[in-house]
Amino acid sequence: QVQLQESGPGLVKPSETLSLTCAVSGYSISSGYYWGWIRQPPGKGLEWIGNIYHSGSTYYNPSLKSRVTISIDTSKNQFSLKLTSVTAADTAVYYCASSPDFWSGYSRYYYYYMDVWGKGTTVTVSS
Amino acid sequence: QSALTQPASVSGSPGQSITISCTGTNSDVGGYNYVSWYQQHPGKAPKLMIYDVSKRPSGVSNRFSGSKSGNTASLTISGLQAEDEADYYCSSYTSSSTYVFGTGTKVTVL
Repeated sequence: QVQLQESGPGLVKPSETLSLTCAVSGYSISSGYYWGWIRQPPGKGLEWIGNIYHSGSTYYNPSLKSRVTISIDTSKNQFSLKLTSVTAADTAVYYCASSPDFWSGYSRYYYYYMDVWGKGTTVTVSS
Repeated sequence: QSALTQPASVSGSPGQSITISCTGTNSDVGGYNYVSWYQQHPGKAPKLMIYDVSKRPSGVSNRFSGSKSGNTASLTISGLQAEDEADYYCSSYTSSSTYVFGTGTKVTVL
């Protein structure tokens, strides 16, 4: 059973870079699936940030694309989020999540939902 | 990409049925059968309730059901229970290979 745990600084200064890590247990990240980040500002709704496939391919929210990088570290079985030039608007609870895949014959297919979520980590942008 | 549109709040009495709508465009909800629904209790992470429009993950009550017509997806909760009081979000895969969430709906059990 996949389990996810976010970690990183709880406080980031404006204009600096927000860096978070999601540790994966119960599954080898190099085996498949794809992995993503979602955030939720205080009192507001969910916002999808981006995904990374086990192959390294990435997809980002167009509104954040210029500032976001998601990467995978297979040696540590974790994936990471970097968000540059942060402002108070980036203050949020950040969640990591996984999306499963399956094989049919010799082809890999992906499911289009997030079935396992981390508990979330709060990041505040303030000087 | 714009957030999918959901009603801000829906309420019902115990035992009743309620339906939450989720309206998008031909580029997301209307273009794919990849709509999912998430339940979120205060201070908790979202939980997957429905995927691929109408499929339930193992362990999710059959009181939860999903459907779609055109650019609008719907989540129905039948036999409403106190534990169903939470925020609900829809999500859809998009033509840009991205995802978009709905604006969220607060369900109140009267």
